[in-house]
Amino acid sequence: AQTVTQSQPEMSVQEAETVTLSCTYDTSESDYYLFWYKQPPSRQMILVIRQEAYKQQNATENRFSVNFQKAAKSFSLKISDSQLGDAAMYFCAYRRSSFGNEKLTFGTGTRLTIIP
Amino acid sequence: EAQVTQNPRYLITVTGKKLTVTCSQNMNHEYMSWYRQDPGLGLRQIYYSMNVEVTDKGDVPEGYKVSRKEKRNFPLILESPSPNQTSLYFCASSSGAGRTGELFFGEGSRLTVL
Repeated sequence: AQTVTQSQPEMSVQEAETVTLSCTYDTSESDYYLFWYKQPPSRQMILVIRQEAYKQQNATENRFSVNFQKAAKSFSLKISDSQLGDAAMYFCAYRRSSFGNEKLTFGTGTRLTIIP
Repeated sequence: EAQVTQNPRYLITVTGKKLTVTCSQNMNHEYMSWYRQDPGLGLRQIYYSMNVEVTDKGDVPEGYKVSRKEKRNFPLILESPSPNQTSLYFCASSSGAGRTGELFFGEGSRLTVL
């Protein structure tokens, strides 16, 4: 079974600085998707960024970028120029790419605090 | 506006009193799913549905039922709720094409069972 591990329960960063959230996963599949979701106090699950495993290029979305290391099964999220609105719980998630149950396997989350 | 709508958003109930959490999506998605979120455990899948009348168990299905009689609706039924079902519940949907891999989530339903 696939597992996703987030080893940092909590992180904090000064406003305008850069922070990296870690995620590792375990799978025997060769093709899959990886995601980072943000959950602010409103509880809404917001997709931050997505990476397809077959793509070597790291995904970027404005201030958010990932470092995808397929051989190491590592998928970290870098947030640049941190803003107060970035404060949230962040979840790393894995999904098989094959047709069928589109289940996301989530990590346990990292709570990010932004220090003004 | 494309959205997944859950109701109720908040509910406090007592042990054994049947309840239903509704979920509706307006994106004509084939795939729908329910998750529960618990501290320290992340989100775990309860049930999923590939299409109308096609449902299957996820990782934590005990104590729950679902039905998919219409494409847009996927209610979660707790026949006899127990305190260990106190949780935050999310409904999610996707087009089922498998290519994009993106799930659209509802806003969550906070359930407390006393």
